[in-house]
Amino acid sequence: DAKTTQPPSMDCAEGRAANLPCNHSTISGNEYVYWYRQIHSQGPQYIIHGLKNNETNEMASLIITEDRKSSTLILPHATLRDTAVYYCIVNYGGSQGNLIFGKGTKLSVKP
Amino acid sequence: DAGVTQSPTHLIKTRGQQVTLRCSPISGHKSVSWYQQVLGQGPQFIFQYYEKEERGRGNFPDRFSARQFPNYSSELNVNALLLGDSALYLCASSSVYGTSGRIIYEQFFGPGTRLTVL
Repeated sequence: DAKTTQPPSMDCAEGRAANLPCNHSTISGNEYVYWYRQIHSQGPQYIIHGLKNNETNEMASLIITEDRKSSTLILPHATLRDTAVYYCIVNYGGSQGNLIFGKGTKLSVKP
Repeated sequence: DAGVTQSPTHLIKTRGQQVTLRCSPISGHKSVSWYQQVLGQGPQFIFQYYEKEERGRGNFPDRFSARQFPNYSSELNVNALLLGDSALYLCASSSVYGTSGRIIYEQFFGPGTRLTVL
């Protein structure tokens, strides 16, 4: 079973920041937090990952709480193309381990 | 560079038949994982192969099997198909290290094979 809890759906206005929360209260010390997204009818796409520090790349920012029990994915300026299902995944090593997906959050970006 | 490719794109089978799905990883990637995604659900892990050896198996019946070839491509076989096997089958490839020596953490997914069992 997935070790994460996410809201089933969220809306965001185009151009505004989208903040997607994730709870992972049972995360262990050597497990990473990963975010993937899946645009309709495509394979999932890696967004970002982190261990305990906040991370930023060209797609998004990842904010992890100090106790590591929750995190937030931030899309700073959401566009219509960001409409997708976003999955928060806890994994010890994403490139070699298997990924346990939950149901994710369906983000709808509206004009 | 080409991404992960899967074939066929779509497939229709009847109950009791057997099916083989194929995956070609990104060049240089030695790890291939297979996932099943039923409509409305997140992908579910089936198998992982690394250097031609099975490194992980999800909670799927023995009707599901896979193998990895010397060129790191992979096949997923499903025997005695059931209606419930209808799903999108995803392949993902990964590499431990990138060309710069940086540790790679992400998996790269293909577009999937849509299997319909009638």
